[in-house]
Order: sequence, then C-alpha cells, then structure tokens
Amino acid sequence: SQTIHQWPATLVQPVGSPLSLECTVEGTSNPNLYWYRQAAGRGLQLLFYSVGIGQISSEVPQNLSASRPQDRQFILSSKKLLLSDSGFYLCAWSVMATEAFFGQGTRLTVV
Amino acid sequence: AQTVTQSQPEMSVQEAETVTLSCTYDTSESDYYLFWYKQPPSRQMILVIRQEAYKQQNATENRFSVNFQKAAKSFSLKISDSQLGDAAMYFCAYRSIMDSSYKLIFGSGTRLLVRP
Repeated sequence: SQTIHQWPATLVQPVGSPLSLECTVEGTSNPNLYWYRQAAGRGLQLLFYSVGIGQISSEVPQNLSASRPQDRQFILSSKKLLLSDSGFYLCAWSVMATEAFFGQGTRLTVV
Repeated sequence: AQTVTQSQPEMSVQEAETVTLSCTYDTSESDYYLFWYKQPPSRQMILVIRQEAYKQQNATENRFSVNFQKAAKSFSLKISDSQLGDAAMYFCAYRSIMDSSYKLIFGSGTRLLVRP
C-alpha cells in the first residue's frame, strides 16, 4: 500500500535561518507531489507542485523553494526564514485524477 | 481560475442529529472532481467523500452524503447521526480533470462542533 512520510513533525527556527522539510512517498511510481501551507485556522494554500523529477511549479511568489531530486522525494526549502513563514506545512501526493493523500504535516514556528 | 467557497466558518450540531455543510465553486469546466476532506485536531487530512461531476448520482459513504447540484455549482456535505468524533475542520476541494497537475483547490474550511 502507499504511504507518505513527512518530517519533522515540529520545528522551531530563528528568523534568518535555513529550512529543509522532506517528504517521501512509498508504494507508487511517478506521483504528482504537492506542498501546501495552512495558516492558523485557515484553508490550505498550494505552494508548489511537481509532475516529475526536477519539474517544479510555483503557485505563489514567496521566500520558499522546492525541489524533487528523486521520483518519490519532495523537499521544501528556504535560505532565510521570515516570521511570515510560520505555519503548518502539508505534503501530498496523487496519481491521475484521484484524491490526494496527505502526510502528517510539519508545524513550523519562526521566532 | 477555479475557486471554492465555504461560507460557514463554524457550525454546531447536537450529537445524533444531522448537519449540512455548504460549499460552492466556480468553474467553466464540465468535468471535474469534488471532494470533502476532514481535518481533526491531529491535523491529518482525511478524505471523507468524492464526487465525479459526470455522475448525476450523489455520492454516499455511510453517514456522509453529498448534495451535488452541478448547474448551481453547489456541493454540500450532509452528516447524519453526528458523533463526537465528527468534530473537525471540513474542507471542500475541487480538482480539474483537464489540468495534468491534478492539484486540489480548497475552500477556507468549516469548523464543526458536536455537542454531547
């Protein structure tokens, strides 16, 4: 069966520090991968998606970047975090037009 | 661009009763998918129900059912016999079939409170 792993679960980082969140998928090949951000009490905003290795599409301009070095690995990064980067980050995958499956999420607090 | 609107920030229901959560969307496409996701306090996103736009029959999953009105672009979720475990954020989402990214567009969510 397919599973998705996302880590870390919780992260507290100072302003100006780098960020790396990782997501891996098991049990499927060539999935579409997504990074969403959820502000407190709000909906999910799509940040990046990838339809293949090295293919990254950005939905909103921001301080973050994404990479897909392997078929089932998706990384969210920042060189210098801002206070406004705080939030709950969710990785997800899908194949074809079926539903998306989500990771457990990372709660990022920038202090 | 497609948009999804959930106009009820919060709803409350008595345990064992029925509640309906509203969702409207805007699209120019004729074929697409609609979803309801549940996000409990753990914040894990859980699929509740899925509806294909080409199907006229409303989807049902146990106590969960939808009222899909394609012409009105409305997709409401009905929860019957509400249970304490139903308390969560509920998100309506749209997915285009034409867009190969298969990305989900979410509404802002409705927080459901269940009173014992």
